[in-house]
Amino acid sequence: DAGVIQSPRHEVTEMGQEVTLRCKPISGHDYLFWYRQTMMRGLELLIYFNNNVPIDDSGMPEDRFSAKMPNASFSTLKIQPSEPRDSAVYFCASSYGRGTGELFFGEGSRLTVL
Amino acid sequence: KNQVEQSPQSLIILEGKNCTLQCNYTVSPFSNLRWYKQDTGRGPVSLTIMTFSENTKSNGRYTATLDADTKQSSLHITASQLSDSASYICVVSARTGYSTLTFGKGTMLLVSP
Repeated sequence: DAGVIQSPRHEVTEMGQEVTLRCKPISGHDYLFWYRQTMMRGLELLIYFNNNVPIDDSGMPEDRFSAKMPNASFSTLKIQPSEPRDSAVYFCASSYGRGTGELFFGEGSRLTVL
Repeated sequence: KNQVEQSPQSLIILEGKNCTLQCNYTVSPFSNLRWYKQDTGRGPVSLTIMTFSENTKSNGRYTATLDADTKQSSLHITASQLSDSASYICVVSARTGYSTLTFGKGTMLLVSP
């Protein structure tokens, strides 16, 4: 299996622009997570899905952030409009299990908002 | 509030030497504790997952210990190699599931030749 696939790996954009990050989870996994990593705060859970349904989005910082999972093999995280403080590495992870399964992370999308 | 504290923040050791990284947590109720290795520019990769009843778990040159009474864990690396240079992240899960995974900020390890 190719693992969790994220795109783009790097994104540089200007403040106010829309950003869309993409994720393909490992086939057969029923949980998908979006995390954000910064030096100051470490890894933070933004949202996670179970069987394509959002379960907990309490970590989504504000209405500018939205996430969708239209099917079991694809998810997007959108930021509109983007701000410089959104600059971070965004990780997608997937898992199989009932809350205790191992998380498999993608390589991350490094976002820089100028 | 659930918290995970790791020490030291960073560490430099010579190749071939051993080292121990620490993790203290206040997560309750406890379900499991995980150690991840994150190479620079890459995603975290799981090293071990330990449940309440496990005191020690090994993965090659990595050995994790867990003391659920004192809420402490350690990750011991034996005969370090240059490829061990990475950030090591301690993650503790509460019994209520994925939403309550609490991440430490990691220990940055540099193995010097």
